[in-house]
Amino acid sequence: EAQVTQNPRYLITVTGKKLTVTCSQNMNHEYMSWYRQDPGLGLRQIYYSMNVEVTDKGDVPEGYKVSRKEKRNFPLILESPSPNQTSLYFCASSLRRTPGRTTEAFFGQGTRLTVV
Amino acid sequence: DAKTTQPPSMDCAEGRAANLPCNHSTISGNEYVYWYRQIHSQGPQYIIHGLKNNETNEMASLIITEDRKSSTLILPHATLRDTAVYYCIVRVVLSGTYKYIFGTGTRLKVLA
Repeated sequence: EAQVTQNPRYLITVTGKKLTVTCSQNMNHEYMSWYRQDPGLGLRQIYYSMNVEVTDKGDVPEGYKVSRKEKRNFPLILESPSPNQTSLYFCASSLRRTPGRTTEAFFGQGTRLTVV
Repeated sequence: DAKTTQPPSMDCAEGRAANLPCNHSTISGNEYVYWYRQIHSQGPQYIIHGLKNNETNEMASLIITEDRKSSTLILPHATLRDTAVYYCIVRVVLSGTYKYIFGTGTRLKVLA
């Protein structure tokens, strides 16, 4: 089954304790991205990657890092989490822009992070 | 900034058609309109997309005005399971790939 898998689904942590949220897709997609969702603000893009070893900042990258060492994985790293990073996080993947190819994004099921 | 505006909420009777409007008056010629929905706090789910022609699939129909400044998503026979937040999104071309700019969506409640 084609899917995007995030882990963990729920996480409560303390301020300053480094954490990683994993994201993996099995569709051989080139493009992957991370979003955060907060009440009243919709989904905002944190980082994206157009292919292996290619990453770039989205709209709200402060306080986050990413890496793309393999095509299927795109982990989100919070080096020193703070309470304002409490949010619902989504990973998404899609095919690279190519004429004739379907390029809708597939989203993971989300990770609810609470930083206390 | 989001390139779309949608009403914050709508109700629809079960079995009736749900018509969800979206304004995208600043859309560019090569930018597609995508619709996704989000049930509870699950990951957004793709519904349909279009450029300038009307589109239909097994889930919904998409009607785009001739000037492309607005569109309507139609769920022909809404069920209780269609209760969700519906996002109208303009997919922006971004140096070799795409970017989805989400607004705050329309919260559709299907009533029994």
